[in-house]
Amino acid sequence: GAGVSQSPSNKVTEKGKDVELRCDPISGHTALYWYRQRLGQGLEFLIYFQGNSAPDKSGLPSDRFSAERTGESVSTLTIQRTQQEDSAVYLCASSSGGALWEQYFGPGTRLTVT
Amino acid sequence: TQLLEQSPQFLSIQEGENLTVYCNSSSVFSSLQWYRQEPGEGPVLLVTVVTGGEVKKLKRLTFQFGDARKDSSLHITAAQPGDTGLYLCAGGPGSNYKLTFGKGTLLTVNP
Repeated sequence: GAGVSQSPSNKVTEKGKDVELRCDPISGHTALYWYRQRLGQGLEFLIYFQGNSAPDKSGLPSDRFSAERTGESVSTLTIQRTQQEDSAVYLCASSSGGALWEQYFGPGTRLTVT
Repeated sequence: TQLLEQSPQFLSIQEGENLTVYCNSSSVFSSLQWYRQEPGEGPVLLVTVVTGGEVKKLKRLTFQFGDARKDSSLHITAAQPGDTGLYLCAGGPGSNYKLTFGKGTLLTVNP
């Protein structure tokens, strides 16, 4: 079946512009996560959605970052007034929950802020 | 705050060699997952271990969960260039069903 998809795969933007990143989770997965991965680093948790519950936004680094999810489908991560330090790969993962909460990742969006 | 330390951070070996990478914490986790991430791709789940002392084998890869569920190891036998990638361990789930990720071991297997 279809895995997690993300778009665009690459995005180059000028400092100060807003960007919107999209994630399509695996159908039926109730949980969705966004992570940031800087070059050569591990995964930095950003935000978590679970069904209709209030999202866990504890990892968002500043108020320039926001995310939305419609029901149990598509999610968008928006970064306003981008800065050079926002350059990274943004990964989305979804999970069906259960006892193990195994996560299935998309290929990521590589964001470059010039 | 739960932390997972992975070692070594970098490892470069020749094809055919054996290797072990480690994932350690002072915290107890209910489960531990291993992922491999290839360049330009997202992490791919390899295995989940849930029982202290558990050993799982996936072809040439052997995963072990420590008895106290605080640490794990990944052993690769006769490494191949296709094993090259970033190996991430993740413990959880923690509060709000979040996984705690280590920073990874970047493995390069040279032909």
